[in-house]
Amino acid sequence: QQQVKQSPQSLIVQKGGISIINCAYENTAFDYFPWYQQFPGKGPALLIAIRPDVSEKKEGRFTISFNKSAKQFSLHIMDSQPGDSATYFCAPYGARTAGNKLTFGGGTRVLVKP
Amino acid sequence: NAGVTQTPKFQVLKTGQSMTLQCAQDMNHEYMSWYRQDPGMGLRLIHYSVGAGITDQGEVPNGYNVSRSTTEDFPLRLLSAAPSQTSVYFCATVSYQNTEAFFGQGTRLTVV
Repeated sequence: QQQVKQSPQSLIVQKGGISIINCAYENTAFDYFPWYQQFPGKGPALLIAIRPDVSEKKEGRFTISFNKSAKQFSLHIMDSQPGDSATYFCAPYGARTAGNKLTFGGGTRVLVKP
Repeated sequence: NAGVTQTPKFQVLKTGQSMTLQCAQDMNHEYMSWYRQDPGMGLRLIHYSVGAGITDQGEVPNGYNVSRSTTEDFPLRLLSAAPSQTSVYFCATVSYQNTEAFFGQGTRLTVV
């Protein structure tokens, strides 16, 4: 039950537009729902994360929406900027599950056109 | 406080050669893992460890060995390199307290 499905694989958005990336998971033991951002030549870094006790979290232009019943969470990038062009990964995790693996979605390559 | 350090950053190997990719962390995290990332693809888990002396396989373990004798170090060994192992390799650590993953800068490996 480690399957994580991320969509879309890529998207192109105009500067100022909204980017939306979705992540669906199977394991109901997950209790931490992060999004990571990766720039070319760099390792991924945490962008924003949510716990299952809230349905939405906003940090600047980035928002996570969480739907526990549907086992999905999404990343919204408002007012997208060229500097947001990167690859984004979801990586739902269950720290309290013994021996749990940290697995990532397939990634979404976002290109913001000026 | 270096975080997660991977060495080397770049490496070219000939088919059949062996080598070890090093990963060291100074964050005292229990969980460490190795991933490979191929062009246009996500991060695929090779091996992981939930603590010193404990390792387990990920989704693509064939051709790789690991060991975890200390909390700080988690080396990845390629016993007989193959061109299919050409990739960028990332090491990551996670603290069970806050669950954020921290990554090294990656090792770009080419097998010719």
